[in-house]
Amino acid sequence: DAKTTQPPSMDCAEGRAANLPCNHSTISGNEYVYWYRQIHSQGPQYIIHGLKNNETNEMASLIITEDRKSSTLILPHATLRDTAVYYCIVKGSGTYKYIFGTGTRLKVLA
Amino acid sequence: GAVVSQHPSRVICKSGTSVKIECRSLDFQATTMFWYRQFPKKSLMLMATSNEGSKATYEQGVEKDKFLINHASLTLSTLTVTSAHPEDSSFYICSAALTGSFNEQFFGPGTRLTVL
Repeated sequence: DAKTTQPPSMDCAEGRAANLPCNHSTISGNEYVYWYRQIHSQGPQYIIHGLKNNETNEMASLIITEDRKSSTLILPHATLRDTAVYYCIVKGSGTYKYIFGTGTRLKVLA
Repeated sequence: GAVVSQHPSRVICKSGTSVKIECRSLDFQATTMFWYRQFPKKSLMLMATSNEGSKATYEQGVEKDKFLINHASLTLSTLTVTSAHPEDSSFYICSAALTGSFNEQFFGPGTRLTVL
């Protein structure tokens, strides 16, 4: 079973920040938080991952709470092309396997 | 970045036939590849883990004789759906992990299988 829970859907206005939450209350010490997104009828695309520190790259920022039980993916200036299903995945460093949850369907509105 | 391709992107076949889907890592070697299936508006479901040079490991409930996986080289894994039926119609996605890396997987674009 997936170790994460996410809201099923969210809307965001174009140009505004999209904040996507994820709960992973059973995360263990060696497990990373990964975020992927899937645009309709395509394969998932890697966005970002982190262990306990906040991370930022050209696509997004990842904020992980101090207790690591939840995280937030931030798309700073959402565009229409960011409309997709966003998946938060918890994975240990010693395994390759991903278990996908139900994800959040983000719709960016013009 | 690392690129994974799948072929074909779309296939339509008659019930009872077998269909082979290829997954290739184009610019890196992948000891481990994964096969997922995805039904409309549903999440990805892991079917099996494919290891180069050894037998695949199937997830619970996935029939290994129905979904044959071969990982003959470090850049190619194949999934064969044998004796396909309409209920096998789905979106099949593969991914590949960099050899020696436990970080992100790279996903292929998916193959849409329709069984008539």
